[in-house]
Amino acid sequence: EDKVVQSPLSLVVHEGDTVTLNCSYEVTNFRSLLWYKQEKKAPTFLFMLTSSGIEKKSGRLSSILDKKELFSILNITATQTGDSAVYLCAVCNTDKLIFGTGTRLQVFP
Amino acid sequence: NAGVTQTPKFRILKIGQSMTLQCAQDMNHNYMYWYRQDPGMGLKLIYYSVGAGITDKGEVPNGYNVSRSTTEDFPLRLELAAPSQTSVYFCASSAPAVGREQYFGPGTRLTVT
Repeated sequence: EDKVVQSPLSLVVHEGDTVTLNCSYEVTNFRSLLWYKQEKKAPTFLFMLTSSGIEKKSGRLSSILDKKELFSILNITATQTGDSAVYLCAVCNTDKLIFGTGTRLQVFP
Repeated sequence: NAGVTQTPKFRILKIGQSMTLQCAQDMNHNYMYWYRQDPGMGLKLIYYSVGAGITDKGEVPNGYNVSRSTTEDFPLRLELAAPSQTSVYFCASSAPAVGREQYFGPGTRLTVT
């Protein structure tokens, strides 16, 4: 059965800290891995990764995929209170996305 | 472009009632999806469609039905609502490109009492 597992389930940090969120997967017919940020509404897209070893960056956020070891990490440096959200990892399998349960990040001033 | 729109935003149903959640997209995407998200949980796929006239079950299809008569619209029908269907429902769409980045609607919060 296809599955996506995220860790930790929740994280509490102070502003300025750096955090690493993990996503491991077992999925047949892997096409890509996607990261989404979800505040109190619909998920918004962050990154899509299809190749191992190529880091994607957007400001203070970066992500990398390891297709051999079947995992991805999402790094957030110099965290801000606006980074507080649930971060969802999803793996694309042919026609569908399989979501993990998410990591809840809380950033305190 | 409005993107993906959903109506209604909120709804309270009594047990046994039926309703249709509407979803529309104006991006000419072939693929459309319905998810439910229970509190503190990830997204679970209910049904999806790869094009007009084609639908398929996801992980949790029981108690729901869908149809896809046009590219733009993908309504989700709840028959005989049950308290277990209390959830937030998201519709999403994607183009048939590698990776399948999905664009989400704002969600419908449904309570069944």
